Order: sequence, then C-alpha cells, then structure tokens
Amino acid sequence: KAGVTQTPRYLIKTRGQQVTLSCSPISGHRSVSWYQQTPGQGLQFLFEYFSETQRNKGNFPGRFSGRQFSNSRSEMNVSTLELGDSALYLCASSLDRIDEQFFGPGTRLTVL
Amino acid sequence: AQSVAQPEDQVNVAEGNPLTVKCTYSVSGNPYLFWYVQYPNRGLQFLLKYITGDNLVKGSYGFEAEFNKSQTSFHLKKPSALVSDSALYFCAVRDKGSGTYKYIFGTGTRLKVLA
Repeated sequence: KAGVTQTPRYLIKTRGQQVTLSCSPISGHRSVSWYQQTPGQGLQFLFEYFSETQRNKGNFPGRFSGRQFSNSRSEMNVSTLELGDSALYLCASSLDRIDEQFFGPGTRLTVL
Repeated sequence: AQSVAQPEDQVNVAEGNPLTVKCTYSVSGNPYLFWYVQYPNRGLQFLLKYITGDNLVKGSYGFEAEFNKSQTSFHLKKPSALVSDSALYFCAVRDKGSGTYKYIFGTGTRLKVLA
C-alpha cells in the first residue's frame, strides 16, 4: 500500500498570502489529522477529520481551516500568512479513530 | 485537562546499555497510548501502542513500553541501545473517555546513543 502523501513538499510564500496543502491518506483510512511542527513548539495538533466531518480542533486561529473529501483526501488552508506560520505541516491518517497514525513526509512552509 | 508530559528534553545513553524514555499522561478516562519516533529528516513512524490487556507492550526495533495505571505512566524501554536508535521520540495519548478521541502528543525527547 502506498503511504501518506503530501503535496507540495516545499512552499515559499510571503506574508498576507494564503496557502493550501494537500494530503492523500493511505487507502481505506478514514481519519486524517493535521499537525504543525516547529523547533520551539514541538508537535501541535491542528484538526482531525473523520468521514468528512471535523471531529477535533486544536488551539489555532480561524485562519487555519481544513476539509476532507468523500475519498478521504484532505486539504488544509492558511489565510493571511504570518511569519510565525513557517513550519513543517504533517498529515497523518489512521484506519479508525483509535488506531495508530501513519504520517506523511510533511510540507515545509516558509513565510517571508 | 488532558495532557502528556515527557519530562526529559534529551536522554544520553551509551551503546549497549538499557534505555528508558519517560512519559506520563493525564486523561479523563481510559487512555490509548502510543510511541512514535522521528529520525533526522524523516517523518514520524509508529513504534508501539497500548489499547488494553497486557501492561507490557512490545513494538518495532526491539522497543517495549510498560503501561502503569497507578502512576499514569507509559515509559519506553529497550534492553540494549544502538547508535541507530538516536532520534526524537514522541509519546501520545488518545483519550476515549472524553468522547472526543483527541490525539495529544508530548513535547518529544531526543535520544542520543553514544558509541
């Protein structure tokens, strides 16, 4: 089975712009979660989607949003980018909500 | 409030010696507990999990972890460390008691195995 894929792998944006990141989970996995990883803050949970519904949300501003499609693929969007949004964004999928997560390689976002 | 604590930012151990990476948790109900590892320039990989049953859980690469309900701990262990075990280790808990099944990660512990 193919692993979790994330596109693009690298992004450079400027402040004020918006960005959309994509995640394709492992086939058959219904739960997709997003995380932000930075050297100073570690791994911060953004949100979780299960069967197209947002089930959990972390403590991030409304500029961060996401969605899940019927084929379980997920996107996250960040509007009005700030310098502090520079991070590695990880997507993880799991078969069900109690199972272990499988992580993608991440999208490294740099905001200038 | 739900939380996971990894009290050590870094653990150094000599190759061949046993290693322990500590994790404690706080949840409202019964936890699902996980350990993940992140090697340099690579994504996170699942190591092992505790859902129910035997308190000693065995996982990948010779790692094991012991669930201790009274101490609310889930420490990661390996009898004999390898230099290749050097990586960043994350403990995570999924709280089923709250009904949200929210996934909470610890801050990570950097393991350095010295040759």
